[in-house]
Amino acid sequence: EIVMTQSPATLSVSPGERATLSCRASQSISTNLAWYQQIPGQPPRLLIYGASTRATGIPARFSGSGSGTEFTLTISSLQSEDFAVYYCQQYNNWYTFGQGTKLEIK
Amino acid sequence: QVQLQESGPGLVKPAQTLSLSCTVSGDSINSARYYWSWIRQHPGKGLEWIGYIYYDGTTYYNPSLQSLVTISLDTSRTQFSLKLTSVTAADTAVYYCARRVAATRTGYFDLWGRGTLVTVSS
Repeated sequence: EIVMTQSPATLSVSPGERATLSCRASQSISTNLAWYQQIPGQPPRLLIYGASTRATGIPARFSGSGSGTEFTLTISSLQSEDFAVYYCQQYNNWYTFGQGTKLEIK
Repeated sequence: QVQLQESGPGLVKPAQTLSLSCTVSGDSINSARYYWSWIRQHPGKGLEWIGYIYYDGTTYYNPSLQSLVTISLDTSRTQFSLKLTSVTAADTAVYYCARRVAATRTGYFDLWGRGTLVTVSS
């Protein structure tokens, strides 16, 4: 099983600032990685797939990068609605998710 | 607009079978375009893929759950279902149905139901 490790577990950032979230795979997954946003009480929402392609309707302030084992989700200027939990998911070999990064208001 | 909606008992006794359905509206599960999936989230924790089914009935299961899980299509072709046998407290989770595009390099889940909490307790 490919293990996905996200860091940090919690990230405190002020509105308007940039947030950088990391995800590491236990083995190479090429660019077979997706990012999701989950607001409490709601299902996950697809943000990014193919490591860097924004899903339909996702604002341009969300961007993804990386390949192999190291990936990053960047939110360029945080809005109030962006404070949530973010998960990465690999689909190179079946499907596994990271444990999430909680993005909280500083 | 395509929507997914989970339904089923919110409480299941240990050692019994958990049964859930997902109703697909606004699209047909007869389409070869998608895999229809189940994913669960343990309280306060991450997500675990359970398995999915294709329109022709082909199923794919998480190897760690394969012996306990059955996913099937409803004959009405508007629902698909999950059965998880011999449940324990560790199966307490929010269960989501979700959609995956059936093409190469598209193993992400682009549409989710709202989820249903299932608690395993006597």
